[in-house]
Order: sequence, then C-alpha cells, then structure tokens
Amino acid sequence: DIQMTQSPSTLSASVGDRVTITCRASQSIIEWLAWYQQKSGRAPTLLISKASILGSGAPSRFSASGSVTEFTLTISNLQPDDFATYYCQQYYTYPYTFGQGTTLEI
Amino acid sequence: EVQLVESGGGLVQPGGSLRLSCAASGFTFTTYWMSWVRQTPGKGLELVANIDQFGSEKHYLDSVKGRFTISRDNAKTSLYLQMSSLRDEDTALYYCVRRGEAFDIWGQGTMVIVSS
Repeated sequence: DIQMTQSPSTLSASVGDRVTITCRASQSIIEWLAWYQQKSGRAPTLLISKASILGSGAPSRFSASGSVTEFTLTISNLQPDDFATYYCQQYYTYPYTFGQGTTLEI
Repeated sequence: EVQLVESGGGLVQPGGSLRLSCAASGFTFTTYWMSWVRQTPGKGLELVANIDQFGSEKHYLDSVKGRFTISRDNAKTSLYLQMSSLRDEDTALYYCVRRGEAFDIWGQGTMVIVSS
C-alpha cells in the first residue's frame, strides 16, 4: 500500500498568516493527489484534486502543487474559518490511502 | 442540491451484521463511481469499498474482504454496504462518498459501533 505522510501533524498560526502543509507519498502517484478539509463534527470536503486543481466552492486563498511524491497545500491570508484538520489522499492506485491529518489551530 | 444521506448505523455485537444505505439526490447517480469511507480516531480515514457506475467493478480494503459487500441500485439512486462478521475494529463513522474529481461529495456519516 502507498503510505501518505503529512507534516506537520499540528500547526499553530494566526489570522492573516500564510501556512504550508506537506504530504509525501511512499512511491510515485504522479499527480493523483487530493486535499480535504474537515471541520470538527463535520464530514471532509474536497479542496484540491489532481494535485493543484481548486475544487468548486474552495476559496482562492487555497493553493496546492507538487508531483510524483512531494506535495504541498498552501493557505494564504488565513481566515478564522480555515482552522480545521487537513488530509491528503492518493487516488493513483488501490487501496486509495489518506494521510494522518494536519490540525491547523489558532 | 447534491446530497448523500446515510442510514443504517447502530450498535451491533461482534460477529453480527448490519446493512448501511445511502440515498443520493441532486445529480446523475449513474455517472459516478461511489464509495464507502470510514473514520476512526486511531486509523483516520480509510476507503472501505468502491463500486463502478454499473456495479460490475468493486474494490475492497483488505481487512473487510469476504465480510463486506458493496452494491448499488441505480433505479433507486442508492448505495449499500452489507457488513457481516463484524469486529471491534470495524467501529467507525461510515461515510457515503461520490467519486467525481477525487472524493467530491460526502454524506454526513452513520456511526457503527461493534461491542458486546
């Protein structure tokens, strides 16, 4: 199985900051990577697909890049609504696997 | 409005069975692969099972193979997960998920607790 490793596990930041979360795959997934946001008590929602494509409804302050095994999610000008847990996921090969999550806290 | 609504979760004893259902609305159900994803504090998010638009291609998490069966009824725009020989480690929040651009639509989840 492909292992997805996110760093950091927890990130402290302030409103207005710019933050970056990293996701590493244990083998090449080309660009078959998605990012999700999960707020407390809610289901995850899709932010980014195909490594860098912003999902419909996702604010433009979210951006992402990467390929092969190294990927990043960047949030510019943090807003109060952005404090949540973020997951990466590879959907290149079965079983599709998720990272362990990065909690963004104030 | 695009919507997925799960039902069927509950408390079941180890070795027991449960059938989860997911009612889809607001989109052309037959266009999409559909999935069940579960979440636990310990293991995080796991893709449990996946089914193609026609119900002919299916994929399962290794730990549920032979115990869980995913199916769909396109006429009823519904997705199902039949779970049997349930184990403590199957305790989780189970989400019904649409596979569009990645997993683009999620239901609110239904909780399954396996305990004696």
